[in-house]
Amino acid sequence: DTGVSQDPRHKITKRGQNVTFRCDPISEHNRLYWYRQTLGQGPEFLTYFQNEAQLEKSRLLSDRFSAERPKGSFSTLEIQRTEQGDSAMYLCASSSTRTSYEQYFGPGTRLTVT
Amino acid sequence: DQQVKQNSPSLSVQEGRISILNCDYTNSMFDYFLWYKKYPAEGPTFLISISSIKDKNEDGRFTVFLNKSAKHLSLHIVPSQPGDSAVYFCAASAREAAGNKLTFGGGTRVLVKP
Repeated sequence: DTGVSQDPRHKITKRGQNVTFRCDPISEHNRLYWYRQTLGQGPEFLTYFQNEAQLEKSRLLSDRFSAERPKGSFSTLEIQRTEQGDSAMYLCASSSTRTSYEQYFGPGTRLTVT
Repeated sequence: DQQVKQNSPSLSVQEGRISILNCDYTNSMFDYFLWYKKYPAEGPTFLISISSIKDKNEDGRFTVFLNKSAKHLSLHIVPSQPGDSAVYFCAASAREAAGNKLTFGGGTRVLVKP
């Protein structure tokens, strides 16, 4: 399977704990995106990488959130001191510069903060 | 400020009939529009797209229509099949937006009855 993969698929954590999610994009895609989706809403943009450079961050991405993409391959999204409001589906997507409008999504990581 | 809106949260249609999903946008800088389909516990799957230089794009049973003056687009599915039951998201992108990030509507849940 050469699609976008995300790990873990589900994460339950207690308020105040740190969590880290991983995304492996389609191998030839140089752009990688993180989105967040809450119940009943569409996905909302969080941040975007072109190769290893993080080029834009949404205002939704508070200081407790950090994302990396070392070597321009996989990416990690870390949330520190989780809050109940962080409970959501975190989606990763990738695209190529050539067809950048069309983003291909992974299955998502569902985070529940108790 | 919701820049992309899907005003119908749900739609029920008989198998074999046409499904029409609507989407409105406010940002005149949007120049590319996409439809995604999402099943429960999966990430959104790219369905069809249209550039702002066109007013129609067709792919098999799926046709997207764009009315730029009205800032409105629609997705037609004909004939509808039970496997089409899913949540459909309209998304838009602007060329000047970093990485062509996507702005999504809230989704329309489609139920195709056999």
